[in-house]
Amino acid sequence: SQKIEQNSEALNIQEGKTATLTCNYTNYSPAYLQWYRQDPGRGPVFLLLIRENEKEKRKERLKVTFDTTLKQSLFHITASQPADSATYLCALDDRGSTLGRLYFGRGTQLTVWP
Amino acid sequence: NAGVTQTPKFRVLKTGQSMTLLCAQDMNHEYMYWYRQDPGMGLRLIHYSVGEGTTAKGEVPDGYNVSRLKKQNFLLGLESAAPSQTSVYFCASSYLDRAGDEQYFGPGTRLTVT
Repeated sequence: SQKIEQNSEALNIQEGKTATLTCNYTNYSPAYLQWYRQDPGRGPVFLLLIRENEKEKRKERLKVTFDTTLKQSLFHITASQPADSATYLCALDDRGSTLGRLYFGRGTQLTVWP
Repeated sequence: NAGVTQTPKFRVLKTGQSMTLLCAQDMNHEYMYWYRQDPGMGLRLIHYSVGEGTTAKGEVPDGYNVSRLKKQNFLLGLESAAPSQTSVYFCASSYLDRAGDEQYFGPGTRLTVT
């Protein structure tokens, strides 16, 4: 069956450290993978997209890697801040599925403490 | 530019009642989606639309109907609400012409069915 698994439901780290979130997938064939941030009571907000032929993507303190052999994406937040506390969702497409349709993981709740 | 808006923000229904959730976007997006989000279940696709006048079933369509009479609006209907439909509902939209474009989410509607 198809699965998208994000590491532990909750991750707690100290301010200034690097947070690393994992997204593993099974029985999908994605052309790209996306990461979203969701704050309590709000809709998800897009952060980054990485395509299958890209190993790494960066945006300010964010870095995403994509390994199609391992079927895994890693999402890093460097120099983390309490304001980074939120739930982070990974999402991917699937070849053979409708163009634009995304499949979401359940999310990892990140808490950055001072 | 309001982005994606949803009406209403909160609603309480009794079992068997009906209601319609309205989603509107002002970005001229072709694609629109309805998701539900439940604790521990992540975002699950209910129905989606790839253009005006077209709709398709997602992962959990039972008990819901949709219509896309105008490009900017996507309506989600519950004909006979059940307690299992208590959830937070998110609408999203995206471009059609470039695969991999991010989805823009609305603020959500919190529905409770008693």
